[in-house]
Amino acid sequence: GESVGLHLPTLSVQEGDNSIINCAYSNSASDYFIWYKQESGKGPQFIIDIRSNMDKRQGQRVTVLLNKTVKHLSLQIAATQPGDSAVYFCAENMVAGTALIFGKGTTLSVSS
Amino acid sequence: SQTIHQWPATLVQPVGSPLSLECTVEGTSNPNLYWYRQAAGRGLQLLFYSIGIDQISSEVPQNLSASRPQDRQFILSSKKLLLSDSGFYLCAWSVRRSSLPAHTQYFGPGTRLTVL
Repeated sequence: GESVGLHLPTLSVQEGDNSIINCAYSNSASDYFIWYKQESGKGPQFIIDIRSNMDKRQGQRVTVLLNKTVKHLSLQIAATQPGDSAVYFCAENMVAGTALIFGKGTTLSVSS
Repeated sequence: SQTIHQWPATLVQPVGSPLSLECTVEGTSNPNLYWYRQAAGRGLQLLFYSIGIDQISSEVPQNLSASRPQDRQFILSSKKLLLSDSGFYLCAWSVRRSSLPAHTQYFGPGTRLTVL
């Protein structure tokens, strides 16, 4: 079964709000985590990643937080825009592994 | 820059017919290559991965097979499609050796397969 999951299957926010998408993982040996965005009918698009030796990493309008104590990963999107509407997946990978383990995804809906 | 192509974009096939989906990567050498399937509203299921020409690992037993005849070409095949083979098929690549955080996978645009 999957070792990475998301707390909520759907999240609805208003344009301009900040969004927080959560993910719990169960494999304590995982060393590397990635967030992907998948728009309808398209392949997943890399957003941001984080290694296990970090607890926070920032990109453009996005921040990933990693809490290894409780095995929790989150993606924060600042000033959410309608173009952010998509399904967001977290994925984990052990350094020695070759495959990513994906969660089931959270659908983010942004209304104007 | 690297790009990944998949074709066809959509495909409708009858049960029992053969299948061939192709994936090619440009702008990189010796990539790891992957095939995933995504059922409607579901996450990604890894089907095959390859670390080199003719080096294929299967993750899930099924009636699908994969081949890598060239370094940057990955093919997903079936001799006889089943209804349950319907889904969104995604090819991905990753850098095999890098000082960057390896294992980040970059996905192609996908192929929507409908088996009737």
